[in-house]
Amino acid sequence: LAKTTQPISMDSYEGQEVNITCSHNNIATNDYITWYQQFPSQGPRFIIQGYKTKVTNEVASLFIPADRKSSTLSLPRVSLSDTAVYYCLVGDNGNKLVFGAGTILRVKS
Amino acid sequence: NAGVTQTPKFQVLKTGQSMTLQCAQDMNHEYMSWYRQDPGMGLRLIHYSVGAGITDQGEVPNGYNVSRSTTEDFPLRLLSAAPSQTSVYFCASSYLGLAEQETQYFGPGTRLLVL
Repeated sequence: LAKTTQPISMDSYEGQEVNITCSHNNIATNDYITWYQQFPSQGPRFIIQGYKTKVTNEVASLFIPADRKSSTLSLPRVSLSDTAVYYCLVGDNGNKLVFGAGTILRVKS
Repeated sequence: NAGVTQTPKFQVLKTGQSMTLQCAQDMNHEYMSWYRQDPGMGLRLIHYSVGAGITDQGEVPNGYNVSRSTTEDFPLRLLSAAPSQTSVYFCASSYLGLAEQETQYFGPGTRLLVL
C-alpha cells in the first residue's frame, strides 16, 4: 500500500477555502485516493474519493494531477464545524485502509 | 438503518482480564474490520473479515482474537488485557469492493482503559 504524507496541522478562518495536499509518490496504477474526516470522539467519515483529474461532491473537491503522485482536498468556505482531522488514504480494492496521522485542521472565528 | 453499532462505549479493565468488544452492522456488508486509535495517532488495523467464517490479521493483531459467525456481527476479544491495549477501538464495515476502495462506515468507538 502506498504511503502518504500530509501536513501535521493547518489553521484557517471561517469563510476561507482550505486546501490540504497529500503526497503519495508510490501510488500504483490501480490505487484510488480517498479522504476521511474525523471529529473528536467519533469514527472517521468518508468525504470524497477519486482516481484522476477532479472530483466534486456537496462537501469537497479533490484535485489529482496527471502523474497522481499527489492530491489536494479542497474545502470551500470552511466553518467552525469543519475543525477535524483529515486523512488521505491510497489503495486499491483493499478495504484494508491504512491511516496515517492525518492533518489537524483548526478553523477559527 | 442503525449503521455500525459498538458496545460498550467505555470499559475499564484490570491487567490480565479478558473481555469482548461487540460490533454489529445492519447494512449487509461483507467486509468488517477493527481498528485501534491511540492519542494523536491514526487508526491501525487489528483484524478484518471479508465474510462470515473468514478472518485475517491486520497490522497489530497480537493480543486480540476475532471470529465472524454471521454477516452482521464481528466481535473483538482481548485475551489478557495489558496497559498497552488502552486505546479507542473502532469497528468499520463496507461492501467488498472489487475495483475501488469501498466507502467504510465506522462505529462510534469503544474507549478502553486497562489499569
